[in-house]
Formats: sequence, structure tokens, C-alpha cells
Amino acid sequence: ELKVEQNPLFLSMQEGKNYTIYCNYSTTSDRLYWYRQDPGKSLESLFVLLSNGAVKQEGRLMASLDTKARLSTLHITAAVHDLSATYFCAVDTGNQFYFGTGTSLTVIP
Amino acid sequence: ETGVTQTPRHLVMGMTNKKSLKCEQHLGHNAMYWYKQSAKKPLELMFVYSLEERVENNSVPSRFSPECPNSSHLFLHLHTLQPEDSALYLCASSQAPPGTYTYNEQFFGPGTRLTVL
Repeated sequence: ELKVEQNPLFLSMQEGKNYTIYCNYSTTSDRLYWYRQDPGKSLESLFVLLSNGAVKQEGRLMASLDTKARLSTLHITAAVHDLSATYFCAVDTGNQFYFGTGTSLTVIP
Repeated sequence: ETGVTQTPRHLVMGMTNKKSLKCEQHLGHNAMYWYKQSAKKPLELMFVYSLEERVENNSVPSRFSPECPNSSHLFLHLHTLQPEDSALYLCASSQAPPGTYTYNEQFFGPGTRLTVL
């Protein structure tokens, strides 16, 4: 069974600090997505990564994909309170999306 | 606004009730999905519809019954649910069915928070 593991599951970080969320998966795939979910809200698409070495950046967030290592990272630079949310990675095998358990991020002043 | 709407947003039902969840997508997509999101668990895919045909049913109990009358609408009919079915039910849509595009981003609705008493 395909596994998608995110770590950490919970992250509390101070404003202005940097941190990385990791997404490891157990099958071959070169398509990976990152989503953000605010409490009581829908999943919002953040990044679409479609090849080995892909890197996407939007504001303080940067995502990358290493298909050989089966690893994607979501790097947060100089965190601000507005980034507090739950972040999910999802692996697209071509037939189905497999989601990680999510990383709940809290940015504190 | 994501282009995918769901109603109701909240639902409380008893184990003997029958209710339905509705999803509508305004994106012109051809595939629609039902997911279940429980606390401390990954999103679980329940059903996939492609061009109104069911293409995936991930061993979901028969007390959940999907219906896709057209490519814009998706329903999830509920009957004799159990308390462990309490969860957030998310609908999503994508341009094409799984496996047909080089990438197939899914767009999610806001979800229906279901509580079974």
C-alpha cells in the first residue's frame, strides 16, 4: 500500500523564522501537489510539481520535488501569522491521489 | 471561491435518518470525487466519477451511495450511518479522469461537516 508521510505533524514556529516540512512517499511518481487548508475551509492548491528537480516559489513558500529520493519539501521563509494553516502533500500516481496526514502549522508572534 | 460548492455545510443526523450531500462544480471539469476527512487521518478517497460514470469505489460501505446525474453535479446519499462516519466530506473536481492527463490538479469544495448521533 502506498504511504505518504509528512513530518512534522505539528509545527509551532516564531514569526520571522525559517522551517521545512517534509513529504516522503513510497512509490514512483513525478507528480506531487501541495495544498493548504484553513480551519473549516476547503483545500486550496498551492503548488503543482511535475518533474524531478521541480522548484516552485510563491511568496514565503517554496516547494521542491526529488523523485529519486521520493521526497518533496515545503520551505517556509520568515514566517508570518497568515501562514498558520494545515498543509497537505498529495502524490499523484496517475490513477489516484494519495494524501499525507497533513502538517498543522502555527506561527506565533 | 474555488468553483466547487457543497451543501449543506453542516449536517447532524441520527443513525436511522436518510440525507444527501450535494456538490456542484462550475469549472467545466469532467471528473468528480468524494473524499472523507477524519481527524488525525489522511484524506480517504471514496468515489471517483468520470463523465458521469463511476470509475473508482474504494471499498466504501453501502450505506454511502453516490450519484452523478451530470458532469457538474455529484451527490452522496447517506442512510443508516454509524457514529464513526462523522467526518468532513469533501468534494473535488478535475479537468479529466485520473490517468488521462500529464497532470490533473484537483479543486476542492468547502466540505460538509457531518455528525452522526
